[in-house]
Amino acid sequence: NAGVTQTPKFQVLKTGQSMTLQCAQDMNHNSMYWYRQDPGMGLRLIYYSASEGTTDKGEVPNGYNVSRLNKREFSLRLESAAPSQTSVYFCASRVFPGPGQETQYFGPGTRLLVL
Amino acid sequence: AQSVSQHNHHVILSEAASLELGCNYSYGGTVNLFWYVQYPGQHLQLLLKYFSGDPLVKGIKGFEAEFIKSKFSFNLRKPSVQWSDTAEYFCAARGGYGGSQGNLIFGKGTKLSVKP
Repeated sequence: NAGVTQTPKFQVLKTGQSMTLQCAQDMNHNSMYWYRQDPGMGLRLIYYSASEGTTDKGEVPNGYNVSRLNKREFSLRLESAAPSQTSVYFCASRVFPGPGQETQYFGPGTRLLVL
Repeated sequence: AQSVSQHNHHVILSEAASLELGCNYSYGGTVNLFWYVQYPGQHLQLLLKYFSGDPLVKGIKGFEAEFIKSKFSFNLRKPSVQWSDTAEYFCAARGGYGGSQGNLIFGKGTKLSVKP
């Protein structure tokens, strides 16, 4: 079980370039999430997918798009990167076996620098 | 709006000192509460969680947290910290019970530095 995996680990982009951050989980979880982490801001939710085939905006969706390709994979796309999108991006998946048993698992993160 | 507040931005302790990190939330109804830890260069890991029942929750690595409903608080404690506890700690909350699709709201985090 690899858990939640993310690629790439690190990326440098120029302003205006596009890229896709990949996330996959092998735990058969229904829900998946994308967060960004900025110093002093904690984690903020960008987009989430409650189940395969559905996606919804989180707190800070502007400048991003997502695709829930299948149950395993949830990608985050930056169409035209901006310096304000310099951040560490975490993907997460959530299991809900029953009341009180929920756990959210995080990937190792992608560190993105936009010049 | 729902929010989670962590009042300490950076806490510096010596080894063996006791730790208490504050967390307050603003939710009107049932709330689920979590503490996550992020060691340097690593991803977030769950320390402990509270859903219902005993308000004193024990987690991994000797951490515990107490849910005080009247104070809207869920403070994290450890009687004696070690250098290896140096990390950033995040409190998170989610309104609703169990199966709702409510999303986690995170606090801004508290950095803990433990001096050997």
